[in-house]
Amino acid sequence: AAGVIQSPRHLIKEKRETATLKCYPIPRHDTVYWYQQGPGQDPQFLISFYEKMQSDKGSIPDRFSAQQFSDYHSELNMSSLELGDSALYFCASSSTPSGAYTDTQYFGPGTRLTVL
Amino acid sequence: AQKITQTQPGMFVQEKEAVTLDCTYDTSDQSYGLFWYKQPSSGEMIFLIYQGSYDEQNATEGRYSLNFQKARKSANLVISASQLGDSAMYFCAMRDNDYKLSFGAGTTVTVRA
Repeated sequence: AAGVIQSPRHLIKEKRETATLKCYPIPRHDTVYWYQQGPGQDPQFLISFYEKMQSDKGSIPDRFSAQQFSDYHSELNMSSLELGDSALYFCASSSTPSGAYTDTQYFGPGTRLTVL
Repeated sequence: AQKITQTQPGMFVQEKEAVTLDCTYDTSDQSYGLFWYKQPSSGEMIFLIYQGSYDEQNATEGRYSLNFQKARKSANLVISASQLGDSAMYFCAMRDNDYKLSFGAGTTVTVRA
């Protein structure tokens, strides 16, 4: 079965640079979520999109922005990178309308971002 | 306030034995879902099992079962017949009326041969 695809899998950037992470959800999934997992921590919700509209927002820094495109893929744009942004970034997708507490979020393999 | 509490930072289990991972949650919503995910050392987050707040029966998926006690707000994961490949971090997560999943701190399971 097709899974969530994330690219790149690994990314190394310098401080103050920008980064773009891409997410391709499972086919026919219409909701995308982004999570950030710092070293030794649990994943923290950043932002989500349903049918190309932002549906919820968590602790996402103002330096980050995201969008979902017409083909449902999503991109997380990160600017003015800081050392503390080094983390594993997950994208997850689900198939039922937003607000349904039962829908399972399937996670991609993650993008490991290292900021030097 | 912490929505999900996992009190066991790490556990050891002998191969072929069962292990129970504790999870308690906090929500005032009547409708919510509880999830368990496995994260191996390679980093991916693998969905294991789901329990809905209105489900009367405990969820089961192969060797995974969920001991759901609604009144106590607990959703413990039981892994039966442990295998070496079960060594990983396990996260309990909840989704209530928010769109997002709220995760616990995780429990590291190490299976010994």
